[in-house]
Amino acid sequence: KQEVTQIPAALSVPEGENLVLNCSFTDSAIYNLQWFRQDPGKGLTSLLLIQSSQREQTSGRLNASLDKSSGRSTLYIAASQPGDSATYLCAVPTGANNLFFGTGTRLTVIP
Amino acid sequence: KAGVTQTPRYLIKTRGQQVTLSCSPISGHRSVSWYQQTPGQGLQFLFEYFSETQRNKGNFPGRFSGRQFSNSRSEMNVSTLELGDSALYLCASRDTEKLFFGSGTQLSVL
Repeated sequence: KQEVTQIPAALSVPEGENLVLNCSFTDSAIYNLQWFRQDPGKGLTSLLLIQSSQREQTSGRLNASLDKSSGRSTLYIAASQPGDSATYLCAVPTGANNLFFGTGTRLTVIP
Repeated sequence: KAGVTQTPRYLIKTRGQQVTLSCSPISGHRSVSWYQQTPGQGLQFLFEYFSETQRNKGNFPGRFSGRQFSNSRSEMNVSTLELGDSALYLCASRDTEKLFFGSGTQLSVL
């Protein structure tokens, strides 16, 4: 059974700092991994989708990596800003064509 | 293109009542999925509809049901509400592999 864990559960950093969010999954038979952002009480916004054949995917200040063999993905945020404050979730597809979500990391960027 | 639209935004119901939530997907998207989000359990898959047919179902009791119309709009129904059904219900439509989520319906059961 797939388990997706995100550590840490919460993170506070000063503005301008570079940071890394971690995502671990137990079943490496995945064909992609997706990172989402969620603002309080709101829906999810897709940030990056990495195919299993890729090792990295970049969008602006965000860079996501995927290592299937070790069951890990990281989301790197460069030069963090207060507007980056949100909960970040990773998700992997299941065989039933839906997503299995991680527990999330709540990020606070302090001005 | 308009995004995924969910109505209503907030709902307050009492135990034993039933509720219907609505979701309009992005134009052209035929797959609609529903997820429940609670502080304790996180995000959990409820069901997915594609071309008016339920394609997949999560591990929820039969009180949770849904349907999809010919225009791809979807509704989710919860009957005999329980306190534990209080949650943010999220709808998502699919474009190949990416999911696009609505803002959700916050359901409070008193």
